[in-house]
Amino acid sequence: DQQVKQNSPSLSVQEGRISILNCDYTNSMFDYFLWYKKYPAEGPTFLISISSIKDKNEDGRFTVFLNKSAKHLSLHIVPSQPGDSAVYFCAASDRGGGADGLTFGKGTHLIIQP
Amino acid sequence: DVKVTQSSRYLVKRTGEKVFLECVQDMDHENMFWYRQDPGLGLRLIYFSYDVKMKEKGDIPEGYSVSREKKERFSLILESASTNQTSMYLCASSPRLAGGPEEQFFGPGTRLTVL
Repeated sequence: DQQVKQNSPSLSVQEGRISILNCDYTNSMFDYFLWYKKYPAEGPTFLISISSIKDKNEDGRFTVFLNKSAKHLSLHIVPSQPGDSAVYFCAASDRGGGADGLTFGKGTHLIIQP
Repeated sequence: DVKVTQSSRYLVKRTGEKVFLECVQDMDHENMFWYRQDPGLGLRLIYFSYDVKMKEKGDIPEGYSVSREKKERFSLILESASTNQTSMYLCASSPRLAGGPEEQFFGPGTRLTVL
């Protein structure tokens, strides 16, 4: 049973436009969410995170929105740049559960077209 | 900058061999993790450790074991490699801070092929 779902395996966006990547979760105990970016042949790198006590967190071109009632979060990239082409993983954690491992979604391959 | 290094980028082994994957981090992090990444399945947690000599099973520990004898080093062991363990293996580390887990820092990965 997948607890973190990224239903779009790939997304194509024109350079300069907004990229919106979506993530849904089923475990109501998750209280911390992260987005990672991964280039081929490299390990994932942390992008941005949000605690469940917030509904928005912004860092430069990247903004993460959290809708707890819908168990949904999204990553907005504005404006999209060619270097943003990568696989994006949504991850979640239950901080109060005593375990520190993250639960990842399957990833969304973002392609920025010139 | 945090650096997480993995002993090999590419590894080819035969079925039944014992395989060791080594991971070293240089930021004095308490937590270390092993994941595998497979197409269409994302990253799945195999084992993690929150202290020296401590280990916890993740979501898919079967067929694997781990060793953490020193704080900076976390080893993943495949006792008898099988073809379904062909995968990209990713090591990560994170500090143990008040309030729970923070971001994890990943190594470059080891692409293991079992023939």
